[in-house]
Amino acid sequence: QQQVKQSPQSLIVQKGGISIINCAYENTAFDYFPWYQQFPGKGPALLIAIRPDVSEKKEGRFTISFNKSAKQFSLHIMDSQPGDSATYFCAANRGSTLGRLYFGRGTQLTVWP
Amino acid sequence: NAGVMQNPRHLVRRRGQEARLRCSPMKGHSHVYWYRQLPEEGLKFMVYLQKENIIDESGMPKERFSAEFPKEGPSILRIQQVVRGDSAAYFCASSPQGGGPADTQYFGPGTRLTVL
Repeated sequence: QQQVKQSPQSLIVQKGGISIINCAYENTAFDYFPWYQQFPGKGPALLIAIRPDVSEKKEGRFTISFNKSAKQFSLHIMDSQPGDSATYFCAANRGSTLGRLYFGRGTQLTVWP
Repeated sequence: NAGVMQNPRHLVRRRGQEARLRCSPMKGHSHVYWYRQLPEEGLKFMVYLQKENIIDESGMPKERFSAEFPKEGPSILRIQQVVRGDSAAYFCASSPQGGGPADTQYFGPGTRLTVL
């Protein structure tokens, strides 16, 4: 059973556009929601993370929006650049207890110049 | 400050052989996690270890797979009698704590296992 559902599976965006990736979860015990960026042949790198006490977190061109009642969260990449082309994974866990992360299946983002 | 290190980066084994994957956590980190990534899929949790202790192995296949994190040296994921279905990328992550508000998992570059 997929604890975190991610969409879309792939996304093509024009340079300068906004990339939006969505995730949904079922387990209300989750209280930590990170996003990871992975380039081909590399390990996932933490991009940005949010906890449910805030509805939005912004770091540079990357913003997480969090909707606790809907159990959804999304990543927005503003002014998308070709260098942003990578696979993005959302994840969740019960940050206060055991550390295992539950990952979405990933979104392959391609930004055309 | 060196990140999480994994070796080998690529490993080729024939069916029936053993695969041994190593992970050295970031300096100061005492918690290690192993994840497996199959093509076109996300990362699947396998096992969570602290020094000399297995904390959560609920994601580990019941047979052929084992993991350890000794007092000295790297964490090791061992796969005995490998089969083609074991071909995947195996990632190790480390964190300074086992959870909590300030905790973050940092991933290594992975070991790509190919079983012929």
